[in-house]
Amino acid sequence: EVQLVESGGGLVQPGGSLRLSCAASGFTFNSHAMSWVRQAPGKGLEWVSGIGGTTGNTYYADSVKGRLTVSRDYSKNTLYLQMNSLRVEDTAIYYCARESRGYNFGIFDCWGEGTLVSVSS
Amino acid sequence: EVVLTQSPGTLSLSPGERATLSCRASQTVSTSYNLAWYQQKPGQAPRLLIYGASSRATGIPDRFSGSGSGTDFTLTISRLEPEDFAVYYCQQYGNSPYTFGQGTKVEIK
Repeated sequence: EVQLVESGGGLVQPGGSLRLSCAASGFTFNSHAMSWVRQAPGKGLEWVSGIGGTTGNTYYADSVKGRLTVSRDYSKNTLYLQMNSLRVEDTAIYYCARESRGYNFGIFDCWGEGTLVSVSS
Repeated sequence: EVVLTQSPGTLSLSPGERATLSCRASQTVSTSYNLAWYQQKPGQAPRLLIYGASSRATGIPDRFSGSGSGTDFTLTISRLEPEDFAVYYCQQYGNSPYTFGQGTKVEIK
């Protein structure tokens, strides 16, 4: 069974940092690109960042470019999102999502349950 | 970026009725068919229903169907089951960045 389990969310002050993790199991990790998608409280979905399956190429939404960094550890089957210089508007549930192909194509066929990041003073 | 506008915002229907949800793009979605639909229930993660505008994802019942191309897309639920009452999002992946619509809530009338 495909599973994605996020962790690392929490309350942080503006300007602070967090690192989110997403542990993947039940599939060949390097055969799939991965993405992070967020959802502000009571709002819609916003794609944040993606990383290729084997190339490791990374992609970012303009709203997070330069502040968030996506990476993956193939030995641990884990996806990461390093979040720096956090802003109040980054407050959201962050979902880890598997892409259906080995390269970033944008079809998210499996999602984790999400981890909540709250940025507040 | 491509802006997706979903209508209506809320659809109030009874079980057994047909639901028709619309998604309109601000510009032609690259290759015309790079459009997906997701279902989200309260407190849960989204679930992929449709990709390629009309292909059902694995395990999705055939009462869900997608159609459209270019800028106008539709998700149809032929006969609503109690478990279908949820929020539905369209998403385009033909243009960078990937973008989602604001969602249509299908509620029990």
